[in-house]
Amino acid sequence: EADIYQTPRYLVIGTGKKITLECSQTMGHDKMYWYQQDPGMELHLIHYSYGVNSTEKGDLSSESTVSRIRTEHFPLTLESARPSHTSQYLCASSESGDRAAFFGQGTRLTVV
Amino acid sequence: KNQVEQSPQSLIILEGKNCTLQCNYTVSPFSNLRWYKQDTGRGPVSLTIMTFSENTKSNGRYTATLDADTKQSSLHITASQLSDSASYICVVSDRGSTLGRLYFGRGTQLTVWP
Repeated sequence: EADIYQTPRYLVIGTGKKITLECSQTMGHDKMYWYQQDPGMELHLIHYSYGVNSTEKGDLSSESTVSRIRTEHFPLTLESARPSHTSQYLCASSESGDRAAFFGQGTRLTVV
Repeated sequence: KNQVEQSPQSLIILEGKNCTLQCNYTVSPFSNLRWYKQDTGRGPVSLTIMTFSENTKSNGRYTATLDADTKQSSLHITASQLSDSASYICVVSDRGSTLGRLYFGRGTQLTVWP
């Protein structure tokens, strides 16, 4: 059983609000990822991190930002939410090297 | 262009029946192929992972096969159960970067009816 947690599970918020999606893992994994997934579509990588103080943008351009101050914590922030940000956001982590990624349960974000 | 394509897009079967899901990929250089199960509203859960040298791998009632020459994989589900209803995602990793970039298929939506 993977130990990676995302909060909140569901979030409905008004346009212009600042939000932070939390992701924590207790497996000591170096690599962490954020994916965005629309219904019926594939996952798209928006951010990743190799370790503490390391963050990179993924394949899909995103207005969100991330930070990695601690190994176990990889929060994603939207400074000003818009309806176009409505989506499911999935956090994942993996050990160094090529290992299966473990996913959190996701945060379903709705911006109204 | 690196791509992962899955078929069928959706599938409905009766409980107890077997089914096979397909995955074709063009990712190069190839590192490994993974099958994930994603329940509605949840994150994907890994079922199997296969490297270039592995032809088949099983996880309970799930058996994945890999033909690295033709760049095809299949996921066979035996004696389906209602709880197998989910999206099954094929994910291919390349060796072209330290990240081991993952390429996701759109998934096959499986529905098991009683």
